[in-house]
Amino acid sequence: NAGVTQTPKFQVLKTGQSMTLQCAQDMNHNSMYWYRQDPGMGLRLIYYSASEGTTDKGEVPNGYNVSRLNKREFSLRLESAAPSQTSVYFCAIRQSSGNTIYFGEGSWLTVV
Amino acid sequence: AQSVTQLGSHVSVSEGALVLLRCNYSSSVPPYLFWYVQYPNQGLQLLLKYTTGATLVKGINGFEAEFKKSETSFHLTKPSAHMSDAAEYFCAVSEDFNKFYFGSGTKLNVKP
Repeated sequence: NAGVTQTPKFQVLKTGQSMTLQCAQDMNHNSMYWYRQDPGMGLRLIYYSASEGTTDKGEVPNGYNVSRLNKREFSLRLESAAPSQTSVYFCAIRQSSGNTIYFGEGSWLTVV
Repeated sequence: AQSVTQLGSHVSVSEGALVLLRCNYSSSVPPYLFWYVQYPNQGLQLLLKYTTGATLVKGINGFEAEFKKSETSFHLTKPSAHMSDAAEYFCAVSEDFNKFYFGSGTKLNVKP
C-alpha cells in the first residue's frame, strides 16, 4: 500500500450524515490525492494537495471538503452525505521528486 | 484538457493467448502515461509507465506497452495470458505530474 493508510475501511451512512475519511502517509511525500471509483467510470479526482496547507479541486469536488493540516495527513469530509456519494474512495501519494502516484487500499462508503 | 479512453470494458482471452488492452489519450502536451492493475477489493498497483525515452516500456508480470504519438495510443500487451492476470486494468495520463486522469477501466477475464 506504499505507506498509505486509510481509515475507515468500511462505513455505512444515512443520507444527511457527515463523516471524515482519513489518509495518512509515512513517507513524508508532498503530494496527496483523493479519488473516487465507481463502476464503469474509472477513478475520478476529487481533490489534491501539492503541499502542506494547499489544496486544489479535481474533476468532481462538489459535496466534499478536504484538509491538509500537516504533511502526513490529508482528510476528506462529507458534510451532508448523499446516496450519489456511495463509492470506493482511494487516497494516493506522489513522491516529492517522483512521477508516479501510489494508492492506499481504499475505503468503501455506502450512503443509504 | 487531458482524457483517456479505454476501448472495451470487458476483454476475455484464453490462457496462453495474447492479451491486448487498448488505451487512447488526448493531451495538449507530450503526456506521461501509466498502466495500473487492480485485483478485487484492493488498491491500484503500478504495472508500467512511460515518461521519456524508449517508447516500448516493459513492466511487471510480463506486460509491456508502446507509446505511439502519431496514434495517441498506449496499448498494453502480454504475449501469453495467465490465470493470475485476471483483474481490472486502468490507463492513466498526466501532463505535469500534479493531476493524473484515469480511463474507465478494462476487466480482463482469462479462461482456462
